[in-house]
Amino acid sequence: EAQVTQNPRYLITVTGKKLTVTCSQNMNHEYMSWYRQDPGLGLRQIYYSMNVEVTDKGDVPEGYKVSRKEKRNFPLILESPSPNQTSLYFCASRTGQGGYNEQFFGPGTRLTVL
Amino acid sequence: AQKVTQAQTEISVVEKEDVTLDCVYETRDTTYYLFWYKQPPSGELVFLIRRNSFDEQNEISGRYSWNFQKSTSSFNFTITASQVVDSAVYFCAFSKGGSARQLTFGSGTQLTVLP
Repeated sequence: EAQVTQNPRYLITVTGKKLTVTCSQNMNHEYMSWYRQDPGLGLRQIYYSMNVEVTDKGDVPEGYKVSRKEKRNFPLILESPSPNQTSLYFCASRTGQGGYNEQFFGPGTRLTVL
Repeated sequence: AQKVTQAQTEISVVEKEDVTLDCVYETRDTTYYLFWYKQPPSGELVFLIRRNSFDEQNEISGRYSWNFQKSTSSFNFTITASQVVDSAVYFCAFSKGGSARQLTFGSGTQLTVLP
């Protein structure tokens, strides 16, 4: 089954404790991206990757890191989480670089930082 | 920069009523794509439709229909004879043509269909 998977699905942590949210897709997609969803703001892009070893900042990159060492994986790293990073996070992938192509979203990771 | 506005934060209707969700976008691009996604209470994002800027034909899929009007920069979504299962947050989104780094989302409309 074609899908984007994220782990964990739920996470409660404390300020300053480094964490990684994993994202994996099995569709051989070149493009992957991370979004965060906050009430009243919709989804905002954190980072994206057009291909392996190619990553760039989205609209809200502060406090996050990413890497793209393999085509299928695009982990999101919070080196020192803070309460304002409490949010619902989505990983997405799509084929190619074209804006026409549908983005496939993972199930979401709900993160709470105390 | 692109912007997508969903002015309706929350809408409540009674089952079987028709409901229209509004979406207005701003862009200077001539080639672009518009999307609607549904987010049910379970939280996942479900793709509903994609439209390109050169195709203003309205589209109907079962109880769902979409009205795209470039003249007013709108891409509205109508659910006919709404059902309780339609209760969800609906997002309108925009993507540039060509190489596009992201989807730009509206803030979403929470639709509640009451039995």
